[in-house]
Amino acid sequence: SAVISQKPSRDICQRGTSLTIQCQVDSQVTMMFWYRQQPGQSLTLIATANQGSEATYESGFVIDKFPISRPNLTFSTLTVSNMSPEDSSIYLCSVSESFGTEAFFGQGTRLTVV
Amino acid sequence: DAKTTQPNSMESNEEEPVHLPCNHSTISGTDYIHWYRQLPSQGPEYVIHGLTSNVNNRMASLAIAEDRKSSTLILHRATLRDAAVYYCILRAPYNQGGKLIFGQGTELSVKP
Repeated sequence: SAVISQKPSRDICQRGTSLTIQCQVDSQVTMMFWYRQQPGQSLTLIATANQGSEATYESGFVIDKFPISRPNLTFSTLTVSNMSPEDSSIYLCSVSESFGTEAFFGQGTRLTVV
Repeated sequence: DAKTTQPNSMESNEEEPVHLPCNHSTISGTDYIHWYRQLPSQGPEYVIHGLTSNVNNRMASLAIAEDRKSSTLILHRATLRDAAVYYCILRAPYNQGGKLIFGQGTELSVKP
């Protein structure tokens, strides 16, 4: 199993600022994903973080708002840019070795924008 | 992305078996059926997955219909710690992104 460390675990940010969330895995993994979970809702996939290339974004999410980096097979960052109160959510990192195996999730970053 | 349909909520008594249903009539031949659960204030946790055959592990059993259009997650003896939201997800092959797309899930409550 993979152990995921997400930082920060929570933050309160001013509107208009940006926050970068880090996801560190204790082993090399093929697939990394970023999710958002708004209060009382299910998880929504933001993007697939591709190692060495640009992330693949889901409909409704754009690179300018959620830039993602993945410099190697154990680390990725998600930046939430120019934040507004609507960005207040839990952001989760997920990793998987392949589509035929289980995925592991971090504990999430609870973001509050004021 | 293939979709799943689950009841919004279910109730169970402690120590009794729980059968959580999931319909996925548009499943393709290469989609894996995954189940995850999310306890309050935690990230989702893997429960079980399968392709065609029934699967058992220490947490649960997964029964897959012969036509693969539905599946059932079976918790053999529910405990209070099993109270969570359970998500049934179809996972696409790697060459289609290998993504996990979450639906609304079933909120399971367990009564003592």
